[in-house]
Amino acid sequence: ETGVTQSPTHLIKTRGQQVTLRCSSQSGHNTVSWYQQALGQGPQFIFQYYREEENGRGNFPPRFSGLQFPNYSSELNVNALELDDSALYLCASSSIGGENTGELFFGEGSRLTVL
Amino acid sequence: DQQVKQNSPSLSVQEGRISILNCDYTNSMFDYFLWYKKYPAEGPTFLISISSIKDKNEDGRFTVFLNKSAKHLSLHIVPSQPGDSAVYFCAVRRETGRRALTFGSGTRLQVQP
Repeated sequence: ETGVTQSPTHLIKTRGQQVTLRCSSQSGHNTVSWYQQALGQGPQFIFQYYREEENGRGNFPPRFSGLQFPNYSSELNVNALELDDSALYLCASSSIGGENTGELFFGEGSRLTVL
Repeated sequence: DQQVKQNSPSLSVQEGRISILNCDYTNSMFDYFLWYKKYPAEGPTFLISISSIKDKNEDGRFTVFLNKSAKHLSLHIVPSQPGDSAVYFCAVRRETGRRALTFGSGTRLQVQP
C-alpha cells in the first residue's frame, strides 16, 4: 500500500511569485485535503477535494487554489506569494466511506520559504 | 477564534512513567476528537480517536479521555518510552458541514531515558 507522497519537499520562492505543490493520495483514497502549518502552530485547513470538486474551504484567500485529478492526485497553487505564506504544506488523504472517525493520512509535507 | 487549545507547549517525563497531554475546546459541535503525533521531518500520524458519545477509548499504551461537561480532552501514555518523544496535536471534527479537522498548537513531549 503506497502512502501519501508530496513534492517538492523543500522550495524557496520570492514574494510575488507563484508556486505549485503536488500530492499523490494513498491507494484507495478519493478525498484530498490540504493544510498549512506555520512554525509553532498546528495544521490549519485550506481546502478539500472530492471527485475533482472543491468540497470545503477554510479561511484562506482566493489566491490559494487547487485541483484534483481523476487518479485522485492533487495540486495546491498559491499566487502572489507573501512572506507569511512561508510554512509547511501538508496533504492528507482519506476515503469518504472511511471518514467515520475523522482519521486522515498525511504526507511528509512541502516546506515553502518565501523571501 | 481558537476553538482548540493546548496550553502546555512542552512536557518532560521519565521513561516508564505516565505522560498526560491535555486539550480544551470551546464549543459542543464536534463529533470526533483525535490525537496525532508528529516527528521532525515527517507528517502527522494518527494515534487514537474518540467519538463524542464515549468518554474513554484505549489502544495499548494510549488512552484518550473525553470530559464533555468540561470540554476537555486528554491523552494518557503508560508507560512512556523514549520513542514517544514527539509533538502531539489534538484535533476535533465538526458534526455537520465542513468536516475538516481543527488542530491545537501542539505539545512537545520529551521522554527521558
